[in-house]
Amino acid sequence: QSALTQPPSVSGAPGQRVTISCTGSSSNIGAGHDVHWYQHLPGAAPKLLICANINRPSGVPDRFSGSKSGTSASLAITGLQAEDEADYYCQSFDSSLNGWVFGGGTKLTVL
Amino acid sequence: EVQLLESGGGLVQPGGSLRLSCAASGFMFGSYAMTWVRQTPGKGLEWVSNIYGGGNDATYADSVKGRFTISRDNSKNTLYLQMNSLRAEDTAVYHCVKFRGGTYYNYYMDVWGKGTTVTVSS
Repeated sequence: QSALTQPPSVSGAPGQRVTISCTGSSSNIGAGHDVHWYQHLPGAAPKLLICANINRPSGVPDRFSGSKSGTSASLAITGLQAEDEADYYCQSFDSSLNGWVFGGGTKLTVL
Repeated sequence: EVQLLESGGGLVQPGGSLRLSCAASGFMFGSYAMTWVRQTPGKGLEWVSNIYGGGNDATYADSVKGRFTISRDNSKNTLYLQMNSLRAEDTAVYHCVKFRGGTYYNYYMDVWGKGTTVTVSS
């Protein structure tokens, strides 16, 4: 069982907005540790999407945004496109486990 | 261009050993902490081990502690993962990943290699 909990799947039609939640605890997100998000397309290496809760690396479209509050974080994707269909993972650091942890991943389907 | 290229994966019997390598290029390798992350179809992404820039400090996930050893050769821009006493549950794609960030607990993974496949089976 992952230290960070994500919904197994979300879906939306092209152009719509979807959000992916990432729920942690007082030893990771709630401890103030940053949350980061990755996009994993089939057959490719995971790609950094959001770092330090809200920041988009160069080249990431502004359709992607992150937020964090308390023991949870969220990734929002607006203006859904077919190319957004992928697995999305949140990541943080867990002080109890003394290591970096991922959510179980969320599969986004664009209908 | 920043690049990470893994090698050394393969098929190994339970109880066997493998040594993974990761050749880094395009950045000051010795200035960054590096990590291994594995990917399995059933469990998604799992952090395995990390090593800081100087190479003297490393940490491991409980699932591999005592069996895996991470190391680096900054003169060769290369990261290693020695895997001993391999188990079926170690079967995964192993990615070499560059860490970035201010403090270790806020590190994020900004560059990923494509990975090398390790299969543990008799």
